Amino acid sequence: DSGVTQTPKHLITATGQRVTLRCSPRSGDLSVYWYQQSLDQGLQFLIQYYNGEERAKGNILERFSAQQFPDLHSELNLSSLELGDSALYFCASSVLRGAKGYTFGSGTRLTVV
Amino acid sequence: AQSVTQPDIHITVSEGASLELRCNYSYGATPYLFWYVQSPGQGLQLLLKYFSGDTLVQGIKGFEAEFKRSQSSFNLRKPSVHWSDAAEYFCAVRGAAGNKLTFGGGTRVLVKP
Repeated sequence: DSGVTQTPKHLITATGQRVTLRCSPRSGDLSVYWYQQSLDQGLQFLIQYYNGEERAKGNILERFSAQQFPDLHSELNLSSLELGDSALYFCASSVLRGAKGYTFGSGTRLTVV
Repeated sequence: AQSVTQPDIHITVSEGASLELRCNYSYGATPYLFWYVQSPGQGLQLLLKYFSGDTLVQGIKGFEAEFKRSQSSFNLRKPSVHWSDAAEYFCAVRGAAGNKLTFGGGTRVLVKP
């Protein structure tokens, strides 16, 4: 157990739908990062939050959004889903700027049918 | 912009043989470098990291990596592989002033009995 908890582990949904992925960071970590892993794109950085505020943005589609709540858990919202959004979504957490490394959760596998 | 190249997509090695995985990075200043391992259906586990100091870094599971600034490389090695080392390995870089990790495409390691 890495200490980073992601739910659900698996999600199957239809095109056009909206889903929410949840991440609880490791105790003491204020930063949360979201990554998408797909066969064709590899591991792509989506977005980072630090203590509730957005800190960095990567290749995140406009249909996707995220937030970090006061208890530091984060949610990634994916809407108007397309087949190409099928991927493994990872959350990672760290102390500020990853000085002690980044701890990854076990991921949420999203399948869009 | 920072980038990471892992030239080998697949490597097959016999159990007990040595293993070396190549990683080349592109970054204009001092990089922070990481190696992660991903077993099938699992999240990413940190093997080792380099921030500064001794360029030969020891990690978990008997792995080590050497930072060579002149070659922009951070190759991962293990003297004697075990069947349980079969997995996908990812090299990643983070700039000293940055936050997010940028990953290479990964190298899948197969271990023959």
